[in-house]
Amino acid sequence: GAGVSQSPSNKVTEKGKDVELRCDPISGHTALYWYRQRLGQGLEFLIYFQGNSAPDKSGLPSDRFSAERTGESVSTLTIQRTQQEDSAVYLCASSLFPEQPQHFGDGTRLSIL
Amino acid sequence: QKEVEQNSGPLSVPEGAIASLNCTYSDRGSQSFFWYRQYSGKSPELIMSIYSNGDKEDGRFTAQLNKASQYVSLLIRDSQPSDSATYLCAVIFNTGFQKLVFGTGTRLLVSP
Repeated sequence: GAGVSQSPSNKVTEKGKDVELRCDPISGHTALYWYRQRLGQGLEFLIYFQGNSAPDKSGLPSDRFSAERTGESVSTLTIQRTQQEDSAVYLCASSLFPEQPQHFGDGTRLSIL
Repeated sequence: QKEVEQNSGPLSVPEGAIASLNCTYSDRGSQSFFWYRQYSGKSPELIMSIYSNGDKEDGRFTAQLNKASQYVSLLIRDSQPSDSATYLCAVIFNTGFQKLVFGTGTRLLVSP
């Protein structure tokens, strides 16, 4: 597709379970970003990839959160032992280069019961 | 600490008026600035980019940049109810690598 694709669009899981969120960036985009947005709140930066490496992981809230990117393409964000405070929309964005504007996917709405 | 500041609003304007959204940023060296629009329940979408001092117009939207004052604004002329959304200012900071930092957004309400 032409845009950033995220899956699943919605995920409901029980507290304590692990979840994996996927992002397919726009083809050719070297930079990829993950954000979290809680209801009614602003964007919370999580992690940034340039190619397959992550120069900035400063936003990951705890060691339960991890992310990887392979083939300079798809990225997965994994949350282990989910907690209720992890409930949010997780947004992925990509840009051709870091200094270029970011384009967002539709997000994954994560609900922890 | 790299920061982008916006008034959270809501900014209420009547239909047909000019809406003025403002943003300040902390890094004098920043060179790239963006405005995003986010409708409730949707993801942000890019509406304007600006890189040079002065005004940049695109349809009903005008972005204004003053690097000396570290200030960027977005004007929406002939505001429509469909413009009601949260507007996010984003600035690229150089932290050793280029990093886009978002403000928390200003909520705009355009009343018919």
